Amino acid sequence: DAGVTQSPTHLIKTRGQQVTLRCSPKSGHDTVSWYQQALGQGPQFIFQYYEEEERQRGNFPDRFSGHQFPNYSSELNVNALLLGDSALYLCASSLTGSYGYTFGSGTRLTVV
Amino acid sequence: AQTVTQSQPEMSVQEAETVTLSCTYDTSESNYYLFWYKQPPSRQMILVIRQEAYKQQNATENRFSVNFQKAAKSFSLKISDSQLGDTAMYFCAFMNTPRGTYKYIFGTGTRLKVLA
Repeated sequence: DAGVTQSPTHLIKTRGQQVTLRCSPKSGHDTVSWYQQALGQGPQFIFQYYEEEERQRGNFPDRFSGHQFPNYSSELNVNALLLGDSALYLCASSLTGSYGYTFGSGTRLTVV
Repeated sequence: AQTVTQSQPEMSVQEAETVTLSCTYDTSESNYYLFWYKQPPSRQMILVIRQEAYKQQNATENRFSVNFQKAAKSFSLKISDSQLGDTAMYFCAFMNTPRGTYKYIFGTGTRLKVLA
């Protein structure tokens, strides 16, 4: 049974560019959350998707947007990249109504 | 707003000994969940143990146990018989759910090193 799969594992982007990160949830899960983990910090909640809609959002600018597809997979898009967007981006999935989340291994984004 | 504080940035322990990681939190909610997650170099967050706030009994999972003091808003993790594989970052996390807010609030982490 595959867990949460994230792609790519690493990527490097230039300031001002746009990036798309992808997440496939664990089998049977329908809710996907995204977290940003800056170096030396704990993960910070970006947003959560359920039934293809953004259900909750953390304190992140509109440059951060997302999408959930009918198969429950999700994308995180970041526009106009800043150096401060360099971080590990974690995806976590769950079955709605459950507090049991499974995390992926993350995408390491470096903005230069 | 809820906050989670881990005041020990780094700790070390000898193999086979016991270590306790501290965590305090702040919330006005009465129903919530607390977690300890382990993040090894592989970067995946792995659930170590969780505690429901309505349960008075402290959770245990094999060598891992918690000391949950609800009134003091304290949630420490005790690792017994430490093993080299326990070396990792450990994050304390809070989640409250009454309004469907199924999101984690994490502390800044404690880097634990188990010494041979």
